[in-house]
Amino acid sequence: AQKITQTQPGMFVQEKEAVTLDCTYDTSDQSYGLFWYKQPSSGEMIFLIYQGSYDEQNATEGRYSLNFQKARKSANLVISASQLGDSAMYFCAMREGPDDYKLSFGAGTTVTVRA
Amino acid sequence: GAVVSQHPSRVICKSGTSVKIECRSLDFQATTMFWYRQFPKQSLMLMATSNEGSKATYEQGVEKDKFLINHASLTLSTLTVTSAHPEDSSFYICSAIPGQGKNEQFFGPGTRLTVL
Repeated sequence: AQKITQTQPGMFVQEKEAVTLDCTYDTSDQSYGLFWYKQPSSGEMIFLIYQGSYDEQNATEGRYSLNFQKARKSANLVISASQLGDSAMYFCAMREGPDDYKLSFGAGTTVTVRA
Repeated sequence: GAVVSQHPSRVICKSGTSVKIECRSLDFQATTMFWYRQFPKQSLMLMATSNEGSKATYEQGVEKDKFLINHASLTLSTLTVTSAHPEDSSFYICSAIPGQGKNEQFFGPGTRLTVL
């Protein structure tokens, strides 16, 4: 079974608007971490935001916020005030267990920001 | 922030040759590094976990004799693709963790391997 599911292969968003990228996960561990990474066409993986399973508040980092709904096992990324430079592939990833640092990645969502 | 480098960034080789890719943590010590493989427009697939001073742990389906991993120091891990074939052409990315209890993995810029 897929551990991380991203159902949106591609999305278009108008510049300055917000966009929500969906991510659902599957784990039986109580302790886990959820990550979002951005991968522009250059290939580098850029860390955006992290949410721990025990964190009570949704994580925020600048224009990025994570909508963490634990009961639904979802960790959607919200990008506010989209910029042209936000056009990239976005991956949701999960680390399971307190001592295991391996990441499982979703299939990714390609975001294209239109001027 | 923590910086991870990879060398080379691109490599083209003939079928049957071996290629070594280096992953270095430049400003921190990394007891654990990971190697991922990514095909075009696809996700990252974990190949193996590289632990300093011990044997790498390979994911299911990854041939350990094909993809040799050596983690000789706290700042360097190498991936050698032995007897490369065209189907090994891919984007290889490493990542490193600064220390225990750290959540963030820092990724290298990747190495694009093309086997002719």
